[in-house]
Amino acid sequence: GDSVTQMEGPVTLSEEAFLTINCTYTATGYPSLFWYVQYPGEGLQLLLKATKADDKGSNKGFEATYRKETTSFHLEKGSVQVSDSAVYFCALSPTPMDSNYQLIWGAGTKLIIKP
Amino acid sequence: DTAVSQTPKYLVTQMGNDKSIKCEQNLGHDTMYWYKQDSKKFLKIMFSYNNKELIINETVPNRFSPKSPDKAHLNLHINSLELGDSAVYFCASSLRQGSTPLHFGNGTRLTVT
Repeated sequence: GDSVTQMEGPVTLSEEAFLTINCTYTATGYPSLFWYVQYPGEGLQLLLKATKADDKGSNKGFEATYRKETTSFHLEKGSVQVSDSAVYFCALSPTPMDSNYQLIWGAGTKLIIKP
Repeated sequence: DTAVSQTPKYLVTQMGNDKSIKCEQNLGHDTMYWYKQDSKKFLKIMFSYNNKELIINETVPNRFSPKSPDKAHLNLHINSLELGDSAVYFCASSLRQGSTPLHFGNGTRLTVT
């Protein structure tokens, strides 16, 4: 079945460092891909998405490119801030959507940014 | 104006008790979900309702019973609580079945002692 694999955390960086959080997927068809972010004490919120190969999603300085050849959707940011500390989830929406209409979630990667 | 709101935010109770968590969304969405997040942040879908009709019922003990009185509300009742039920429970909604993005509530942290 479809699956999402994320790099294990926590990832600890200093402020202004470059961030990459790896996400790879296994899917049949042409899934849509998402990054959600969960700040401490809050629910998840959509950070960015890409719906087809070579699309780049971007938001709040974060970017991710849908790479079909490497089945990857890595999250990047050029200069992280303490306020970026959160848990980041990669997710996949199968196409066609499976009979249960479920998003497939990665395990989440905790990001800690030190001042 | 909160889009998806859950109550209570924290719930501490003893084993064997029965408790409920309530969720309301004011987005006009047709589909609502319950997710369980364990201590390692792993997310697992429990239930999904579309327009008050149950469409996803994952392998969850039958002590958990969702109820959707209307499409804006989805409640979760848990009978005979066990230690392993301790987790954060998230309600979410989407415009319609299978659509994205999901909009999440801020979660209910359940602690069973």
